[in-house]
Amino acid sequence: KAGVTQTPRYLIKTRGQQVTLSCSPISGHRSVSWYQQTPGQGLQFLFEYFSETQRNKGNFPGRFSGRQFSNSRSEMNVSTLELGDSALYLCASSGFAEGMNTEAFFGQGTRLTVV
Amino acid sequence: DQQVKQNSPSLSVQEGRISILNCDYTNSMFDYFLWYKKYPAEGPTFLISISSIKDKNEDGRFTVFLNKSAKHLSLHIVPSQPGDSAVYFCAASRSESTSYGKLTFGQGTILTVHP
Repeated sequence: KAGVTQTPRYLIKTRGQQVTLSCSPISGHRSVSWYQQTPGQGLQFLFEYFSETQRNKGNFPGRFSGRQFSNSRSEMNVSTLELGDSALYLCASSGFAEGMNTEAFFGQGTRLTVV
Repeated sequence: DQQVKQNSPSLSVQEGRISILNCDYTNSMFDYFLWYKKYPAEGPTFLISISSIKDKNEDGRFTVFLNKSAKHLSLHIVPSQPGDSAVYFCAASRSESTSYGKLTFGQGTILTVHP
């Protein structure tokens, strides 16, 4: 069974630009979550999508957005990039069951550097 | 507000001995807990999880203990191997609609296993 795939692995962008990251979850998983990892803040929850709907959102500005497609693939977008957006962006998929928590499996991440 | 805390930034253990990694949480609504292992510039790898209805879960060399009254969990690795050297994160979640898909992570503990 293929794991979670994130593309691209590395990205360098200039301040003010926008960026789109992609995540393909494990086959059959419909829940996709995004996290930001920085040395100072650790792993922080960005948002979660299930069946093309954003169910939950973390405490990030509106510049961070996402979407999910009918095949469960997800994208996240960051507009008007700032230096502080430099981070490892991680996607996780889980086989969510109503009312139950299940383990989440992570992709390799996308390392974004804003210069 | 650090709801999940790993108070030991690092742990050093001899090969073959037991590694014990600790995690405390403050939110009594958390009901599912997970441990992940992470190498630099890679995504976290799921190790083991435990539901709040249990106090112990084992998987091979890994055992997680949960003490709900103390809001404390620990991961035991026996025997420790040099390949276990990595950063270990504990994470917690709630089985509640506003928290679906959201994991709250601790800051991580760097485990070094010496040959």
